[in-house]
Amino acid sequence: EAGVAQSPRYKIIEKRQSVAFWCNPISGHATLYWYQQILGQGPKLLIQFQNNGVVDDSQLPKDRFSAERLKGVDSTLKIQPAKLEDSAVYLCASSPRAISPGDSTDTQYFGPGTRLTVL
Amino acid sequence: DAKTTQPNSMESNEEEPVHLPCNHSTISGTDYIHWYRQLPSQGPEYVIHGLTSNVNNRMASLAIAEDRKSSTLILHRATLRDAAVYYCILRDRRTGNQFYFGTGTSLTVIP
Repeated sequence: EAGVAQSPRYKIIEKRQSVAFWCNPISGHATLYWYQQILGQGPKLLIQFQNNGVVDDSQLPKDRFSAERLKGVDSTLKIQPAKLEDSAVYLCASSPRAISPGDSTDTQYFGPGTRLTVL
Repeated sequence: DAKTTQPNSMESNEEEPVHLPCNHSTISGTDYIHWYRQLPSQGPEYVIHGLTSNVNNRMASLAIAEDRKSSTLILHRATLRDAAVYYCILRDRRTGNQFYFGTGTSLTVIP
């Protein structure tokens, strides 16, 4: 079974530029997550999709970050414009089942991440 | 949301058991305890999870205190490949939503 794919693996941009990351989850997985991991910290959830709908985007800085999951499969995360503090690894994860109350056992499968450096 | 407390770092000799502690004194009755680990330059990977009873799988064992305010991840024989950051995470069974990763415990395995 192929894992979660992400591209690019590395990206260097200047502040105020735009950048987009792409994620292809494991086939058939209903739920998709984007995390931001700043150096030395644990991952922080940015947004969670269930199929093609947003379940939780409470920690997404919506003035500059956007994400979509068209057709409930692939997803893109965009930053426009980027700031220096956006330098981080952006991780995509997917899980098989749709999240429902009473179910917190679903395992998340993470991709390798995209390392973004903003100069 | 309930939070967890873990030591920043631990060391272990290769082929010896490792006990990684986690405190979660504000855990609620609906919180599952999950452990993930992150190897260098990789995304986190699932290790184990449990609710009340001790759990075993091929990777590790999870020992949960009777009052559920703490838990311990046990690696029975540490290998060099186990060097990673280990995260203890609480997930609310009622919502099943957000994982709150802390800073985790960085495990160094000494050959």
